[in-house]
Amino acid sequence: DTGVSQDPRHKITKRGQNVTFRCDPISEHNRLYWYRQTLGQGPEFLTYFQNEAQLEKSRLLSDRFSAERPKGSFSTLEIQRTEQGDSAMYLCASSSPLGIGEKLFFGSGTQLSVL
Amino acid sequence: GESVGLHLPTLSVQEGDNSIINCAYSNSASDYFIWYKQESGKGPQFIIDIRSNMDKRQGQRVTVLLNKTVKHLSLQIAATQPGDSAVYFCAGLKLTFGGGTRVLVKP
Repeated sequence: DTGVSQDPRHKITKRGQNVTFRCDPISEHNRLYWYRQTLGQGPEFLTYFQNEAQLEKSRLLSDRFSAERPKGSFSTLEIQRTEQGDSAMYLCASSSPLGIGEKLFFGSGTQLSVL
Repeated sequence: GESVGLHLPTLSVQEGDNSIINCAYSNSASDYFIWYKQESGKGPQFIIDIRSNMDKRQGQRVTVLLNKTVKHLSLQIAATQPGDSAVYFCAGLKLTFGGGTRVLVKP
């Protein structure tokens, strides 16, 4: 257990529905990341927060995706009007970088299946 | 931009033997690399990192080697155990992950 919690672990939804995932990072970590991972691939960066500020968003993050971290603690990732191509594992990670480089602590992910 | 990639998608190794997983990167300005291990159903887990001012760094049963001349790094696992069966990823400073190498440990 890395200390990063994600909820739910699995989500099955129908195309066109909205879904929301939650991530609770390690409490003292000020950075929070969202990644997407499909079968056989490495995690793809989506977005990250420094405290409550969303500092970077990937081009992968279409306008159907929105992420928030309102109080600089937990974060939510919402996907509106889901499509079958959204089916993937959504991973959250947190870190508290010091100096060069940073170690990410990942949660176990939310597996999304869009039917 | 930065890109990292692994050479082999699958590595099959006999239990007790050493494993070597390779990774190449494209940005010569990269000054930090990190290896992650991902077991089935779990998120990636940090193994070891290395800064570009180092050629080698050792952890418990793992060693990372960095060759800046050919932009290559490797992860060596000594005396591979069944618990080492997982997918291994390298990532650079921008936390861009390669495609991963699946290590299968044969008993």
